[in-house]
Amino acid sequence: DIQMTQSPSSLSASVGDRVTITCRSSQNIIDYLNWYQQKPGKAPKLLIYAASSLQSGVPSSFSGSGSGTDFTLTISSLQPEDFATYYCQQTYSSSSFGQGTRLEIK
Amino acid sequence: QVQLQESGPGLVKPSQTLSLTCTVSGDSVSSGSSYWSWIRQSAGKGLEWIGHISTSGITDYNPSLKSRVTISTDMSKNQLFLSLTSVSAADTAVYYCAKEVVVAAAALEYWGQGTLVSVSS
Repeated sequence: DIQMTQSPSSLSASVGDRVTITCRSSQNIIDYLNWYQQKPGKAPKLLIYAASSLQSGVPSSFSGSGSGTDFTLTISSLQPEDFATYYCQQTYSSSSFGQGTRLEIK
Repeated sequence: QVQLQESGPGLVKPSQTLSLTCTVSGDSVSSGSSYWSWIRQSAGKGLEWIGHISTSGITDYNPSLKSRVTISTDMSKNQLFLSLTSVSAADTAVYYCAKEVVVAAAALEYWGQGTLVSVSS
């Protein structure tokens, strides 16, 4: 099984800040890595697929990078609606999610 | 526009079988190259991938649940099903169905709203 580890588990930031969330896989997953945003009581929303491709309709303030075992999600300038929980997901071998990163307002 | 809607009992007794239905509109569970997935989320916890089924009926399951899970489809009703046997309180969660986009690293592009299932006597 491939284990996905996100860091940090939680993060406090202010509107306008640049934020980076890291996801590490226990083995090489090439670029089979997706990122999701989830708000309370809602289903997750796809942000980034294949490590760095921006899903249609997602603001360009979101970007993803990485390959192999180390990946990052960056929000270049936080907006009020960006405060949520973020998950990475590998789909290289079956599928598994990271434990999530909760992004809170400072 | 693809839409998914989960349905099923909100309460299941321990040791019984949890059965959920996902009704799909705007797409077909039996054509194309998509996979259809089930994911769950326990209260205050992260997402757990349960498994998926291809339009041709190929399934793959989370190893930790594999002995208890069956995912299937009904092409005539355009529905996706989840069966989870021998449930316990640890299976209490919000259950989501979702559609994968195979050409996009199997990302889960479309999700249902989720349905809460509680396991309790």
